[in-house]
Amino acid sequence: DVKVTQSSRYLVKRTGEKVFLECVQDMDHENMFWYRQDPGLGLRLIYFSYDVKMKEKGDIPEGYSVSREKKERFSLILESASTNQTSMYLCASSLGTGGRNEQYFGPGTRLTVT
Amino acid sequence: QKEVEQDPGPLSVPEGAIVSLNCTYSNSAFQYFMWYRQYSRKGPELLMYTYSSGNKEDGRFTAQVDKSSKYISLFIRDSQPSDSATYLCAMKRGSTLGRLYFGRGTQLTVWP
Repeated sequence: DVKVTQSSRYLVKRTGEKVFLECVQDMDHENMFWYRQDPGLGLRLIYFSYDVKMKEKGDIPEGYSVSREKKERFSLILESASTNQTSMYLCASSLGTGGRNEQYFGPGTRLTVT
Repeated sequence: QKEVEQDPGPLSVPEGAIVSLNCTYSNSAFQYFMWYRQYSRKGPELLMYTYSSGNKEDGRFTAQVDKSSKYISLFIRDSQPSDSATYLCAMKRGSTLGRLYFGRGTQLTVWP
């Protein structure tokens, strides 16, 4: 079974802190994704990566950066956390680009910025 | 306008009802159509997958795609309380690095 794990289920940080959200997948997938999910807005893509050290901006990259030094690990970085970044963050991975290309999701990290 | 539109509900039905969930889209380049199910405090999981137009059935679930109308549907027959979840439609073009485009999700409650 594909497993996508996220470093924390719940996280509370203060405004201005640098925040790292970690995601690890164990199925040698090429693609990895970071989303945030907010009530009424659904899943919004922040960044994605289709190879090690390669990244692409999604729809809402402002205030975020990412790092992918190893194939299995994709990190989301909030350089200076703000209250409007309070959200559920979901990581996903997929095998490749063509065809069905199912995305497998982690359990999510509920981040609260105070 | 979002590329994928989905009514967020909420939708509340009695056990045994037939549920119809729908999405519309604007980009005719979408070729792959999916439905994800997300239980509370969990990540989404793929429920149904369809390539191009047509129907696909899996047990109590039927997915329909009408590319001419840019409209997709998910039907749940004999709905159960365990079907209570948020259902997200998702779509994909032929390439574009595997990116999916999601609807906002419809929250469904099936009461006994």
